[in-house]
Amino acid sequence: QVQLVQSGSEVKTPGASVKISCQASGFRFTNYYMHWVRQAPGQGLEWMGIINPSGDSISYAQNLQGRVTLTRDTSTNTVYMELSSLRSDDTAVYYCARDAVAGLNYFDHWGQGTLVTVSS
Amino acid sequence: DIQMTQSPSTLSASVGDSVTITCRASQSITTWLAWYQQKPGKAPKLLIYDASSLESGVPSRFSGSGSGTEFTLTISSLQPDDFATYYCQQYNSYSSWTFGQGTKVDIK
Repeated sequence: QVQLVQSGSEVKTPGASVKISCQASGFRFTNYYMHWVRQAPGQGLEWMGIINPSGDSISYAQNLQGRVTLTRDTSTNTVYMELSSLRSDDTAVYYCARDAVAGLNYFDHWGQGTLVTVSS
Repeated sequence: DIQMTQSPSTLSASVGDSVTITCRASQSITTWLAWYQQKPGKAPKLLIYDASSLESGVPSRFSGSGSGTEFTLTISSLQPDDFATYYCQQYNSYSSWTFGQGTKVDIK
């Protein structure tokens, strides 16, 4: 079955960077676009970015441009999200999600989430 | 970006009730709309895609309708497992996916 397993919780200080991994299994990883979505405590869902199957076409949400970097490693079926210059309002649960078909679609499977806490 | 507005923000209902959540888009998204269910501490779960298509394994008491700018999610005969927060999401525009703010369905 499709599984997206994310790395564990992180605590960071303001100004630091964080890199979260999402390892996929149960499907042909190289066929699917992948997204990242975050959710601040008690808040709604915010789309962050998308990476295509080969990893050479990436789009980011405008408000995160310059701070977020998505990469993927097809040898380990893993996608990564790195967020730099962390601020307190980056405290959130971060999710990876699989695009259902081909990059302009809904998200049919999600990782379990990774809590990132930014605090001095 | 396309803005998505859900109503109500909170909905109190009883087991067995039929409930409807509305989602409005700031511009036409034809039927490029999905609905998700999220329970506390869990990832969202896909319920409906393309406005009215039921995801495999989702109970048939969930249904979606609408097109253009107005959409609804209906849960007929609410079950205890359905108390959760529901989000709509548009996927009309590449690199600009947006969600509604969520509707919490709680027990009356």
